[in-house]
Amino acid sequence: NAGVTQTPKFQVLKTGQSMTLQCAQDMNHNSMYWYRQDPGMGLRLIYYSASEGTTDKGEVPNGYNVSRLNKREFSLRLESAAPSQTSVYFCASSEGYTSGDSYEQYFGPGTRLTVT
Amino acid sequence: AQTVTQSQPEMSVQEAETVTLSCTYDTSENNYYLFWYKQPPSRQMILVIRQEAYKQQNATENRFSVNFQKAAKSFSLKISDSQLGDTAMYFCAFREDSSYKLIFGSGTRLLVRP
Repeated sequence: NAGVTQTPKFQVLKTGQSMTLQCAQDMNHNSMYWYRQDPGMGLRLIYYSASEGTTDKGEVPNGYNVSRLNKREFSLRLESAAPSQTSVYFCASSEGYTSGDSYEQYFGPGTRLTVT
Repeated sequence: AQTVTQSQPEMSVQEAETVTLSCTYDTSENNYYLFWYKQPPSRQMILVIRQEAYKQQNATENRFSVNFQKAAKSFSLKISDSQLGDTAMYFCAFREDSSYKLIFGSGTRLLVRP
């Protein structure tokens, strides 16, 4: 099992360029998430998908869009990259949500994005 | 709003000794979950230990244990017999039972000295 995979691992963009970060999981999880990690800070939730066909905004959604392509894949798109979006991006997945269950989120290896 | 605070930006410990990392959180909910994640230089986020708020017994995983004080809203991580491979950033995280959102603290960088 590969777990959660992300592509690319590194990316450099110029301001205004667009790109899509790809994420896939092979654990048959229902829920998927996108986080960003800035220096000196913990991870902050950008968007999440509770189940296939649904997406919702997290804490810092501005400047991003997401697509839950199918149960396995959840992509994050930057339409017009800005230097403030320079960060490390993590995708995660979990079985889902059931009240009373302490589900674990499994994380991908991250994508380091630099916007110049 | 829920917050998670890690007041120790950096800590250092001698190999084989014990170290405790602190975490406090704020919530008005009664049912929630707490986690410690480890992030080594590889950047991979690895779950170290979890605690359900409704459980009075502190969680343990081999050399890792927690001291969960619900009334004080405190959730510290104790690492016994520290090893060089424990060198990493450690993040405390919190999730309310009614929410998908996992809220992270700012992290503590732990250095294990040989």
